[in-house]
Order: sequence, then structure tokens, then C-alpha cells
Amino acid sequence: EIVMTQSPATLSVSPGERATLSCRASQSVSSNLAWYQQRPGQAPRLLIYDASTRATGIPARFSGSGSGTEFTLTISSLQSEDFAVYYCQQYSSWYTFGQGTKLEIK
Amino acid sequence: QVQLEHSGAEVKKPGASVKVSCKASGYTFTNYGISWVRQAPGQGLEWMGWINAYNGNTKYAQKFQGRVTMTTDTSTSTAYVELRSLRSDDTAVYFCARESFSGQLGYWGQGTLVTVSS
Repeated sequence: EIVMTQSPATLSVSPGERATLSCRASQSVSSNLAWYQQRPGQAPRLLIYDASTRATGIPARFSGSGSGTEFTLTISSLQSEDFAVYYCQQYSSWYTFGQGTKLEIK
Repeated sequence: QVQLEHSGAEVKKPGASVKVSCKASGYTFTNYGISWVRQAPGQGLEWMGWINAYNGNTKYAQKFQGRVTMTTDTSTSTAYVELRSLRSDDTAVYFCARESFSGQLGYWGQGTLVTVSS
């Protein structure tokens, strides 16, 4: 099983600033990596797939990068609605999720 | 538009079974696989398994092997997950999610809360 590790567990950032979230795979997943946002009480929402492609309707302030085992989600200028939990997920060998990064207001 | 509609919340006793449904609409049901993902209170997302809605082939996460069954009813465009021998740590929200072309989970249902308590 491919293990996904996200860091940090919690990230405190001020609105308007940039947030950088990391995800590492225990073995190469090529570009088969997605990012999801989950707000309290809601289902996860797909943000990024294939490591760097924004899903339909996702604002341009969200961007993804990386390949192989190291991936990054960047939110360029945080809006109030962006404070949530973010999960990475590999789909190279079935599916595994990271444990999540909680993005909180500083 | 793609919609995945879950069945209602369930309360079960330890040792019992639960069957959660997910009714799909807005697309050709048999063209895409469905994954089931659960989330215990305050915890992260856990992939349980996947079913090919066309032919019923399944892949279960090792953790759930022997205790889970995923099925579909193509006549009603509904996917089901059944979990047996329930324990208190099976208390969670159970989500269905539809895969997209590359394999990512592009559409999610609202989830079904299953509470296991004596």
C-alpha cells in the first residue's frame, strides 16, 4: 500500500497571504495525485487532479505541482472560505489519502 | 448535473450489519466506477473500496476484506455498501464518490452517518 504523508498537520496563515501544503508518497505515484478541500460538515471537493490540473470551477489561486513522490498545493492569496482541511490522494495504485492538513486563520 | 444521493442515517448495535445506498443521476451510471470512503468523527478520509458499475468487479481495501460487500443495481443507478460485524470504531460518515477519467474522485455524495452503539 502506498502511504501518503501530509505536512504540516496544521497551518496558520493570515487572510491574503500564501499557503503552501505538502504531500509525500512512500513510492512514486507519477502524476496520479489529487487534492481535495473539506469544509466542516461537507463532503470533500476535488480541487486539483493529475497533480497540477484544476478541477472545473476551481479558482486560479489554487495551484498544484510535483510528480513522483513530492507534491505541493499552493493557495496564492487566502480567502475566508479557504480555511478548511485539505487532503491529498494518490490514484496510481488504487487509492490512499493523506491524513490531512488543517488550514486555520492566524 | 451529476448527483449522488445517499440513504439516511443509521444506528446499529455492535455485531450488526448496515447497508448504505447511493443513488446516482445526471450521467450514465455504468460508465464510471464508484468508490466508498468513510470518515470517523474528527478523523481523516479512509478509502474502503471500489466497484465497477458496469460489470460489478470490486476492489476492497485490505482492512475491510471479508467484512464489506459493494454492489450496484444498474436498473436504479444505485450503489450499495454493506459492512458486517459492526464495531464502535465503525461509527463514521460513509461517502460514495464517482471516479473521473483519470481516476480522481470528482463527485461526492453528501454522506450517510452510521452510528454503532449498544
